[in-house]
Amino acid sequence: KAGVTQTPRYLIKTRGQQVTLSCSPISGHRSVSWYQQTPGQGLQFLFEYFSETQRNKGNFPGRFSGRQFSNSRSEMNVSTLELGDSALYLCASSWGLVTNEQFFGPGTRLTVL
Amino acid sequence: AQKITQTQPGMFVQEKEAVTLDCTYDTSDPSYGLFWYKQPSSGEMIFLIYQGSYDQQNATEGRYSLNFQKARKSANLVISASQLGDSAMYFCAMRVSGNTPLVFGKGTRLSVIA
Repeated sequence: KAGVTQTPRYLIKTRGQQVTLSCSPISGHRSVSWYQQTPGQGLQFLFEYFSETQRNKGNFPGRFSGRQFSNSRSEMNVSTLELGDSALYLCASSWGLVTNEQFFGPGTRLTVL
Repeated sequence: AQKITQTQPGMFVQEKEAVTLDCTYDTSDPSYGLFWYKQPSSGEMIFLIYQGSYDQQNATEGRYSLNFQKARKSANLVISASQLGDSAMYFCAMRVSGNTPLVFGKGTRLSVIA
């Protein structure tokens, strides 16, 4: 069974641009969560989707948004990029909302210049 | 609010020795789950072990075991017979009952020395 895949793996953008990151969960998994990882703040929860509905949202500004499609694939979008958005963005999938395991993808490393 | 504390920013261990990575947590919810993840330099978070708050026995998965002391609110990870490939960041995380996200600690960087 294939693991969680994230595309692209690396991305370089400039301030003010917008970016879309993609996550394909493990087959059969219906929940997708997104996390931002930075050296200063560590791992912070962005949002969680289940059956195309956002079920949880972290404390991030409205520039960060996401969605989930009927095939459980998820995208997250960051508009008006700031230097501080440079981070590793990790996606995790699980079969349900309350489960013992979340399986993570390799992440997308975003650099904002 | 839930909180995870990992007090060891970095640890060194000799190859083939055992090492304990500390994790303390804080929650008022009686139902919760504790997780340990390994993050190599490649960036991917690898699930290692899970302990539920109502589990009677400490969780074990191969060379990984979790020393769960509920009264002290600690969930330390023990890695036996360390290998060079164990060098990585290790994160402790918690998820309380219901539909809540994982809360992570700051992590511990483990370096295994030959």
